[in-house]
Amino acid sequence: EPEVTQTPSHQVTQMGQEVILRCVPISNHLYFYWYRQILGQKVEFLVSFYNNEISEKSEIFDDQFSVERPDGSNFTLKIRSTKLEDSAMYFCASSPSGRWTGANVLTFGAGSRLTVL
Amino acid sequence: AQSVTQPDIHITVSEGASLELRCNYSYGATPYLFWYVQSPGQGLQLLLKYFSGDTLVQGIKGFEAEFKRSQSSFNLRKPSVHWSDAAEYFCALRTGTASKLTFGTGTRLQVTL
Repeated sequence: EPEVTQTPSHQVTQMGQEVILRCVPISNHLYFYWYRQILGQKVEFLVSFYNNEISEKSEIFDDQFSVERPDGSNFTLKIRSTKLEDSAMYFCASSPSGRWTGANVLTFGAGSRLTVL
Repeated sequence: AQSVTQPDIHITVSEGASLELRCNYSYGATPYLFWYVQSPGQGLQLLLKYFSGDTLVQGIKGFEAEFKRSQSSFNLRKPSVHWSDAAEYFCALRTGTASKLTFGTGTRLQVTL
């Protein structure tokens, strides 16, 4: 079964450092997403991406965050200067399209746990 | 603004017992509703979804959920729980044409043998 893969599974970084989280979406999917879950809190939407541009973003997704599809397979989330409160599990997801029909749902990766010290 | 509430943070059931996980939503129109499960070290796996039509939806692993508009609920049920069902369960809501999901805080299910 096709899956979304994320690397690294766990990253520890110092406050102020740049972090890049990587995702390989399902190959024929067109929409890509990042969500995050701070420990003990809800899974929160960060950003959606289609056709090489952001289609929607939340208020969490400020100038410290950026996303990129550098090649035909990878989808990355960059945090420019990490803060303690960026510690969370980050989930990548993809879907065949952005239309919400019965056949179109998000497939999530296993997550990347980021710990900022 | 839309929201999802899962009132139970942690539930423990015996293997073979029935299970019901509660989910309530707040949204002014007909929502699209989902249940996801997360096992340790795994991603969020879709259990089932409600878009329209029959209010009782069947999912994978023997789970079902019933959409009740009058109660703004979408509770997840399973008649007989297996030890492998121990995991965290998330209810989620997708509204209108937005591409994002709004998640509840999750319910952690523990199964005793």
